[in-house]
Amino acid sequence: AQSVTQLGSHVSVSEGALVLLRCNYSSSVPPYLFWYVQYPNQGLQLLLKYTSAATLVKGINGFEAEFKKSETSFHLTKPSAHMSDAAEYFCAVIQESGNTPLVFGKGTRLSVIA
Amino acid sequence: ETGVTQTPRHLVMGMTNKKSLKCEQHLGHNAMYWYKQSAKKPLELMFVYSLEERVENNSVPSRFSPECPNSSHLFLHLHTLQPEDSALYLCASSPRLGNTIYFGEGSWLTVV
Repeated sequence: AQSVTQLGSHVSVSEGALVLLRCNYSSSVPPYLFWYVQYPNQGLQLLLKYTSAATLVKGINGFEAEFKKSETSFHLTKPSAHMSDAAEYFCAVIQESGNTPLVFGKGTRLSVIA
Repeated sequence: ETGVTQTPRHLVMGMTNKKSLKCEQHLGHNAMYWYKQSAKKPLELMFVYSLEERVENNSVPSRFSPECPNSSHLFLHLHTLQPEDSALYLCASSPRLGNTIYFGEGSWLTVV
């Protein structure tokens, strides 16, 4: 069975600072990995996904994530935080060629301080 | 515009009422999902439909009753709910089970 662990339920950064949101996965077979973002009072929006092509994946709004098999990690980064990045971020995993729904992490709330 | 439309966006209902949440997807997907999101709790997968057949039901109380009349529509029928059922209910769809999931904006439910 697959699972993801998001380290830190709340991360706070200053505007212009690096954003780093951590996600570690557990999967006995090659995984597909996802990051979703949820802005206040909205549903979840796909930010980026890794599907066994390039290990560095670029997403919307300047975010990117790197798949590191040796570390079983898929951390989300952005070089410079904007106020508009304040939201809840969810990491998710499925098995490559799997036939089961995505498994989501518990989410990390990002606050951006002016 | 996500391609997944949920109505109503906000619903207040009494514990003895019967109401329904509606979800429609315009993406041609074959799998649809209901999730529950409560404050300070992880996303909870409630129901999964693939090609209009229920494939997963995660021990959800019978006061929640899903219906999937076709691959584009999904309903969540609600009756005799409890205040702790107040939450954001998210509908989602994917091309098939195990693919990228696309969410609707959610329906905020308040049970009084």
